Amino acid sequence: KNEVEQSPQNLTAQEGEFITINCSYSVGISALHWLQQHPGGGIVSLFMLSSGKKKHGRLIATINIQEKHSSLHITASHPRDSAVYICAVYRPGAQKLVFGQGTRLTINP
Amino acid sequence: KAGVTQTPRYLIKTRGQQVTLSCSPISGHRSVSWYQQTPGQGLQFLFEYFSETQRNKGNFPGRFSGRQFSNSRSEMNVSTLELGDSALYLCASSVQVNTEAFFGQGTRLTVV
Repeated sequence: KNEVEQSPQNLTAQEGEFITINCSYSVGISALHWLQQHPGGGIVSLFMLSSGKKKHGRLIATINIQEKHSSLHITASHPRDSAVYICAVYRPGAQKLVFGQGTRLTINP
Repeated sequence: KAGVTQTPRYLIKTRGQQVTLSCSPISGHRSVSWYQQTPGQGLQFLFEYFSETQRNKGNFPGRFSGRQFSNSRSEMNVSTLELGDSALYLCASSVQVNTEAFFGQGTRLTVV
């Protein structure tokens, strides 16, 4: 079993819909990252969380440390949000980032 | 403020050759990490450097090595290339270990 599991693996939605991507982890962490990767490869860091909730524009990220679960929400989705979204956790014992397999999001106009 | 710069962006090598990839972190960032991304394995940690010292190494063979210079720039080297080394190699820099990481565009290595 992977230490970081994301769901769903693929998500297709219509423009304007509210999107939720989930991340569950099974190890002790000191921080959780949400990353966005567009075709072509470059990765953009969206959020780094250790507790609670963060918001940036139409993106909201939450984390529940007790339940070892995080969600990334996108409000009023747009075709430019189409990308792969990756959850990564920092394991202080192992001193490294461990990544989920990613969620491929496609927003149709 | 300039972002993380990786060179080259694309590279084609033949089996048995060696390759060196370069990563220039954001100014003021002392931590540089390297990752390999393949369709089958996803993103995997290769190494992390902080102030010229390797802090941690992932589960990769000894053919994969790296170093960091006094200006925080980092290089990774892969010797005796194998077809399975074809991947996108990403580096990320951060101010300190376990702070927000900023990724480069990656180097796409193809081994033929």
